[in-house]
This record gives sequence, C-alpha cells and structure tokens, in this order.
Amino acid sequence: QKEVEQDPGPLSVPEGAIVSLNCTYSNSAFQYFMWYRQYSRKGPELLMYTYSSGNKEDGRFTAQVDKSSKYISLFIRDSQPSDSATYLCAMSESGGYQKVTFGTGTKLQVIP
Amino acid sequence: GAVVSQHPSWVICKSGTSVKIECRSLDFQATTMFWYRQFPKQSLMLMATSNEGSKATYEQGVEKDKFLINHASLTLSTLTVTSAHPEDSSFYICSARPRGGVNTQYFGPGTRLTVL
Repeated sequence: QKEVEQDPGPLSVPEGAIVSLNCTYSNSAFQYFMWYRQYSRKGPELLMYTYSSGNKEDGRFTAQVDKSSKYISLFIRDSQPSDSATYLCAMSESGGYQKVTFGTGTKLQVIP
Repeated sequence: GAVVSQHPSWVICKSGTSVKIECRSLDFQATTMFWYRQFPKQSLMLMATSNEGSKATYEQGVEKDKFLINHASLTLSTLTVTSAHPEDSSFYICSARPRGGVNTQYFGPGTRLTVL
C-alpha cells in the first residue's frame, strides 16, 4: 500500500463548477499537509499549506484535513480554464527538514 | 515570491555520458535543497536531500555514485547524472527550502533528461 493515495483522474469539469480533489494516507504521523499545482512540464507550485486537522481558505481554494479519517481534500470554487493542471497532495511528519511524501497527482481539466 | 531556476530545461545525451543539472535559488538563501525525479504519470520521488556545505543524504535505492550532488553555496546545488543510461531518462526537479524555518519548499521548473 502506498503511503499516499490519490486518484489520477483525469477529472473534467465545466467552467464555474466546484472541484473536489482528495487524498488518503496511511501514516498517522503526518501532520503537515500541502497541495501543489503542476502545469505540464513545469515544477510544482505550492497552493495551500495546513497543519493538523481543520480547514483553510485562500480565495477560491479551500483545504480540508481530517486526520481521524486520514483524508485530505482541496476544493476549488468557480473553477476556471486556467485551473487546468495536475494537483498533487503532499504531506510530512513535521516541518523543517523532514521528508515530504507526494501523491501521484490528479489531472484536472476545466472546460470553457 | 521565491524563485528557483534550473538549467538546462531539457537535455538530450548519449548513453554513457554525464550530465550536470543546476538548481539555483534566485532571491533567497536555501540551506536545504532537494532533488526529485518524476516519471510520466507518477509522483515526485525524492532522490536526495542536500544541506549547504555537507554531503547529501540519499533515499533508499538511489545510487549516490551515479547521482552526484553538490551543494556548494546557499543558492546553488548541482546534480550530475554519471554514465547516463536510457532508464535514467526522466524529469528531474529540484526544490529549495529557505533559511529561517519556513515549512515549505519552492520548486524549480524541472529538467527533462533524455538519454539515447
């Protein structure tokens, strides 16, 4: 079993839709949770960073962490064609210099 | 924002040759840099972690004699793929963690290596 599981998609939605992206994990020691956006042939770009359980909102993006279920989500409201990319979840046991484990990424396509 | 550059962005080389990839943090000092490899439709796999002025720490299964990492300064790390083979063809991405305890890392744009 992989430490982090993420549905690879692709996920196609119409412009304006609410997008839900999810990851599950098995390591209960993970405490820091990140979402990255990666455009084709580019490096990942950090979108959201959360610590422990709870919600965090930033503009059209909301990150949720449920440590009891080992489940994290990223919601995108009013999705735009420019949101089309691969979204990677990532997590680590602690901040600082700890190793970050990535999901395989979900490819999202927002259709105009 | 924090910017990390990589050079070259893509490289094609013959089997048996060595290739050097540079990773630079342009507007911040990076005490730690990470090197990842990403195969198509797969996740980023951490290869090694390097701290400025010390030897790199390699992940299990990564050959340190094949993937030479040098973190010579707070803004530059290099990855040299020695005696490259076609199976080394991949997307290599570096990231840099700023000095000061910020719990994140900034990624470079990646280098696509194709070994013929």
